[in-house]
Amino acid sequence: GENVEQHPSTLSVQEGDSAVIKCTYSDSASNYFPWYKQELGKRPQLIIDIRSNVGEKKDQRIAVTLNKTAKHFSLHITETQPEDSAVYFCAASIGTGFQKLVFGTGTRLLVSP
Amino acid sequence: NAGVMQNPRHLVRRRGQEARLRCSPMKGHSHVYWYRQLPEEGLKFMVYLQKENIIDESGMPKERFSAEFPKEGPSILRIQQVVRGDSAAYFCASSPAVVNTGELFFGEGSRLTVL
Repeated sequence: GENVEQHPSTLSVQEGDSAVIKCTYSDSASNYFPWYKQELGKRPQLIIDIRSNVGEKKDQRIAVTLNKTAKHFSLHITETQPEDSAVYFCAASIGTGFQKLVFGTGTRLLVSP
Repeated sequence: NAGVMQNPRHLVRRRGQEARLRCSPMKGHSHVYWYRQLPEEGLKFMVYLQKENIIDESGMPKERFSAEFPKEGPSILRIQQVVRGDSAAYFCASSPAVVNTGELFFGEGSRLTVL
C-alpha cells in the first residue's frame, strides 16, 4: 500500500542551526505534499506545502524541496529557534478526487538555546 | 470563523463501553476526515465523509468502528466495545467542497483513554 517514510525520528540542534527532515513516498500519483507541525497535546498545523508542479517553495525560515523523480521531499528550517521545537510530520496525497493524506511517522525536533 | 470543533477533548471509557466522538467542520466545509494517532506515532487515515455519504472508509477497522456525517449536526465517530488498544488521539479534519489537493484543517483532537 501507500507509504511515506520519514527521517530522522529525532533531531537535536542548537539555536541558530539549520534542521533538515527528509521523506520518501511510494505512490507516483501523489501530487500534494504538506508539512505539519504538532506541539505536545495540540492539533497538527500546516506550516508549508508543495504541489507536484513545483520543485521548491520557501516561506521565511522554512523551505520545502520536492524531487518527483526520486519520490522524495524535504523540509528545511534555517536559523532555528527554541519555539521551533515540536514534532513535524510530512504527508503525501493519495489517489485523486479528495484529500486523503498518508503521514510519515514524525520527527521530534528539539532546539536547544 | 470558528475552526474545526471536536468534543469531547478527553474521554475515559472502561473496556466494553462505547465511545462517541463528535466533529463539527469549519464553516463552509462539507468534507470531513477522521485520523487516529497512537502515542508517539503519526496520523493514520480512517475515513472520509461528505454529508450523508461515506466516501472512503479504507482505514477503518472492520469491526466496532463506524462513522457518520448526517445532513444536520456534527460528524460522529463511534467505537463500540472499546479495548485498551483503542486508546489514542482521534483527530477530525475538514476541507472545502470540490477540492483535489489543499489544506486540511484539523481540530484539537479527542483523546480516548480506555481503562
